[in-house]
Amino acid sequence: GENVEQHPSTLSVQEGDSAVIKCTYSDSASNYFPWYKQELGKRPQLIIDIRSNVGEKKDQRIAVTLNKTAKHFSLHITETQPEDSAVYFCAAALNGNQFYFGTGTSLTVIP
Amino acid sequence: EAQVTQNPRYLITVTGKKLTVTCSQNMNHEYMSWYRQDPGLGLRQIYYSMNVEVTDKGDVPEGYKVSRKEKRNFPLILESPSPNQTSLYFCASSSGQGLGYTFGSGTRLTVV
Repeated sequence: GENVEQHPSTLSVQEGDSAVIKCTYSDSASNYFPWYKQELGKRPQLIIDIRSNVGEKKDQRIAVTLNKTAKHFSLHITETQPEDSAVYFCAAALNGNQFYFGTGTSLTVIP
Repeated sequence: EAQVTQNPRYLITVTGKKLTVTCSQNMNHEYMSWYRQDPGLGLRQIYYSMNVEVTDKGDVPEGYKVSRKEKRNFPLILESPSPNQTSLYFCASSSGQGLGYTFGSGTRLTVV
């Protein structure tokens, strides 16, 4: 089956700096890559996603890039704010059915 | 309000005592799924369903059962719970392929 690896496991940045989280996947057939944000004690919430026919997608301060050849995708958060502090999960899926998640990145934004 | 509702939020039970965690969504979504979340392991898919009466195993299905008799409901059944099933469980739903799931609030299960 699919194997998704996520790095780093923890990340601390100063407010206003950028944060980058990277994921790799093993199954070249995977074609959908969502990112979720989970605040402490809350449910995961979808923040951005990308399909395999797109190389980059942006939504305000958040962007995701996908390199199908290398089988890796990344989440970029610019101008970080304290409310960005949370655990972020990447995932890879085939046809939006069976999802495989990374182990999460705990992001701390220091005011 | 569009939502995925799970019950109960917290549950402590004993080994071997059958239990059911309910999940209901009011968004008319076709896709529903169950996940367990454990420290250091992220979210792992237990079962998913693409429509009524259509279910399939996820990554960690052992010890669990599901049913999808109605579009809105997708209960998770533990016939004989064991301590290694102590975890945080999330139900989620999606409107279709290639779209992210909306998660419920979670059920924290402890099996002693």
